[in-house]
Amino acid sequence: GAVVSQHPSWVICKSGTSVKIECRSLDFQATTMFWYRQFPKQSLMLMATSNEGSKATYEQGVEKDKFLINHASLTLSTLTVTSAHPEDSSFYICSARDPTSGDTGELFFGEGSRLTVL
Amino acid sequence: GQNIDQPTEMTATEGAIVQINCTYQTSGFNGLFWYQQHAGEAPTFLSYNVLDGLEEKGRFSSFLSRSKGYSYLLLKELQMKDSASYLCAFKDSNYQLIWGAGTKLIIKP
Repeated sequence: GAVVSQHPSWVICKSGTSVKIECRSLDFQATTMFWYRQFPKQSLMLMATSNEGSKATYEQGVEKDKFLINHASLTLSTLTVTSAHPEDSSFYICSARDPTSGDTGELFFGEGSRLTVL
Repeated sequence: GQNIDQPTEMTATEGAIVQINCTYQTSGFNGLFWYQQHAGEAPTFLSYNVLDGLEEKGRFSSFLSRSKGYSYLLLKELQMKDSASYLCAFKDSNYQLIWGAGTKLIIKP
């Protein structure tokens, strides 16, 4: 199946700093990528849909200015958590669909990035 | 409105069979997925059902009844490595994925 790679896997930062997480589709082009957040023992929460060459679409309740998404190429989307606070500590996961993989719309997930804000 | 529901946690014995149910309500439906997620890892795809019936894939099978808004994931010959959370999600009329909260499956020897 298609491969999505996410970096970094773990990041610890100080409160008030910004953290950038990268999501790459390694063997396919993804015009759309999805960013999820997952708190312990909870399910995936869609934060935003990242569209190549245009602005991201944010879900209700997600602050656009805090979670900056850039999708500059067909294989890379980045999520920047600005002015991070301890409550932003979470598991962030990106995903994408491979448009050549058939009609199922299966999502391929990156490895996830665990953010801890001190 | 839309909602999706699955049990929070289930326990089963190694070598046995377990069925994880998922019920959903939506006005538009375009298929249902099951994903497996081990603790601290990203979800991995297990199955996709768009038509009624049973889809079998090795030890795992998934069933869908669109008229009842019901699906289940059946795991046979359980192994310790099957301990994970199992997430069901359906695609709505806008092809957006609506996720369940996940079922944590605990396998005991």
